[in-house]
Amino acid sequence: DSGVTQTPKHLITATGQRVTLRCSPRSGDLSVYWYQQSLDQGLQFLIQYYNGEERAKGNILERFSAQQFPDLHSELNLSSLELGDSALYFCASSVEGQGYEQYFGPGTRLTVT
Amino acid sequence: ILNVEQSPQSLHVQEGDSTNFTCSFPSSNFYALHWYRWETAKSPEALFVMTLNGDEKKKGRISATLNTKEGYSYLYIKGSQPEDSATYLCAFFVDQFYFGTGTSLTVIP
Repeated sequence: DSGVTQTPKHLITATGQRVTLRCSPRSGDLSVYWYQQSLDQGLQFLIQYYNGEERAKGNILERFSAQQFPDLHSELNLSSLELGDSALYFCASSVEGQGYEQYFGPGTRLTVT
Repeated sequence: ILNVEQSPQSLHVQEGDSTNFTCSFPSSNFYALHWYRWETAKSPEALFVMTLNGDEKKKGRISATLNTKEGYSYLYIKGSQPEDSATYLCAFFVDQFYFGTGTSLTVIP
């Protein structure tokens, strides 16, 4: 158990809908990272937040947005969902920035039908 | 988009063999290189974070080296055990994280 929690574990929704994925980092960790793993692709970095501020951004679609709240939990919002958004979404946390070990949560499996 | 290449793509070794993999990345503007161990149906597990040229890190039977000038990192496993079977993934950070496609290791008892 890494200490990073993600909810929900599984999510099934229809095209065009909007969903919110939630991540609670390890106690004391200031950075939160979001990753996407699609069936035919490897792990893709989406976005990083550090103490509430966006710190680094990957190839995150405009339909996706994220934020980190004052209690340091983070939410990833996915809107106008398409079939291709079906993937495993991981959240990770680290004590500081990109030069520190990241601890991954168990992931949220999103299925868009 | 930057290219991070890992080789070999897959590897089968006998229990007790030592093995190594390579992660190649662009040598300019280096910030950090991460190595992960990723077992099927689990989450990636951090092995090492390397930030300085010449870094060598060790955790039990696993060690890693970093050469930022030539743009590569090696991961070594000494005396492979069946429980080492996993995908080993590297990720290079400059402005964002760029992941390799991983080396899949199978250790045959």
